[in-house]
Amino acid sequence: DQQVKQNSPSLSVQEGRISILNCDYTNSMFDYFLWYKKYPAEGPTFLISISSIKDKNEDGRFTVFLNKSAKHLSLHIVPSQPGDSAVYFCAARRVSGNTPLVFGKGTRLSVIA
Amino acid sequence: DAGVIQSPRHEVTEMGQEVTLRCKPISGHNSLFWYRQTMMRGLELLIYFNNNVPIDDSGMPEDRFSAKMPNASFSTLKIQPSEPRDSAVYFCASGALPGVKETQYFGPGTRLLVL
Repeated sequence: DQQVKQNSPSLSVQEGRISILNCDYTNSMFDYFLWYKKYPAEGPTFLISISSIKDKNEDGRFTVFLNKSAKHLSLHIVPSQPGDSAVYFCAARRVSGNTPLVFGKGTRLSVIA
Repeated sequence: DAGVIQSPRHEVTEMGQEVTLRCKPISGHNSLFWYRQTMMRGLELLIYFNNNVPIDDSGMPEDRFSAKMPNASFSTLKIQPSEPRDSAVYFCASGALPGVKETQYFGPGTRLLVL
């Protein structure tokens, strides 16, 4: 049973526009959420995170929104750039349980110039 | 810091052969994770260690898979005997547990092809 779901395997966006990547989770005990970015032939790298006590966290062009009641989070990239083309993984964990991250399957973002 | 180091980067082997993947975590990190990435299943956690002790190996697919962490700076993932369905990219990651802001740092991965 997948606890973290990314239902869109791929997404294409034009350069300069907004990219919105979505993620749903089923475990209500999760209280910390992260997004990782992965380029081909490289390991995933940490991008941005959010604690369950917040509903928004912003870092430059990247903003993560958390809707706890819907068990949904999203990553917004504005404006999108060709260098943002990568696979984005959503991840979650329960901090108090000292458990590792649970990852979604990823969404491949293509930013078209 | 060199980051998480994995070797080899690529491995091609024949079915039935033993495969050993190696990982050197970031110095000072007390947790180490082995993941497998496939198109069908995404990033699966196979096993993780905390202070060199295996904590959860429920993700290890079969007894053919084993992992060790003899010291804080080295871990191995062994597949014996290997099968074509083991073909995937295997990632090692390290981090600090416990911690509120747990960020796992991934190595570049080992791409394994079993013929």
